[in-house]
Amino acid sequence: GENVEQHPSTLSVQEGDSAVIKCTYSDSASNYFPWYKQELGKRPQLIIDIRSNVGEKKDQRIAVTLNKTAKHFSLHITETQPEDSAVYFCAATLTGFQKLVFGTGTRLLVSP
Amino acid sequence: NAGVTQTPKFRVLKTGQSMTLLCAQDMNHEYMYWYRQDPGMGLRLIHYSVGEGTTAKGEVPDGYNVSRLKKQNFLLGLESAAPSQTSVYFCASSSGQGNQPQHFGDGTRLSIL
Repeated sequence: GENVEQHPSTLSVQEGDSAVIKCTYSDSASNYFPWYKQELGKRPQLIIDIRSNVGEKKDQRIAVTLNKTAKHFSLHITETQPEDSAVYFCAATLTGFQKLVFGTGTRLLVSP
Repeated sequence: NAGVTQTPKFRVLKTGQSMTLLCAQDMNHEYMYWYRQDPGMGLRLIHYSVGEGTTAKGEVPDGYNVSRLKKQNFLLGLESAAPSQTSVYFCASSSGQGNQPQHFGDGTRLSIL
């Protein structure tokens, strides 16, 4: 089955810096890769996703890149703000399978 | 539009007690899921359902049972609670059509003493 590894487990940056979180997956057939943000005590919320027919997707300050050959995908946050502080989870799944496999999460701390 | 609603939000049980967690969604979603979240381990799938009347095992199903008698509801049961089941439980749903996002409830924090 699919296995997703996520690094780093914690990431501290200064406000205004960029942050990058990386995930690798094991099943080359996986073709859907969402990213979720979870604030302390809250529910996970989808912030961006990418499908395998696309190499990069952007939404304002966040972007996701996908390298199918290397089986890894990354979340990029530019101009970080204190409200970006949260735990971020990557996930992977195969079309039609409908079972997301999550990474173990990255705790991002943005200091003013 | 409430989305995904979980009840209760908090519960403390004694070892051996039983209880049922309720998940309700009002988005007419076909697929529903139960996850548990433990520190450092991310979200792990317990059971899921691809439609009314169907259920299937996820990654960590032991000690749990589920039922999907109505499309909008997905119940998670603990027959004999154990301290290892202390966790935060999240329910999620998705439309089931292609790769659609999963929408999560607010979670249930469960402590087993």
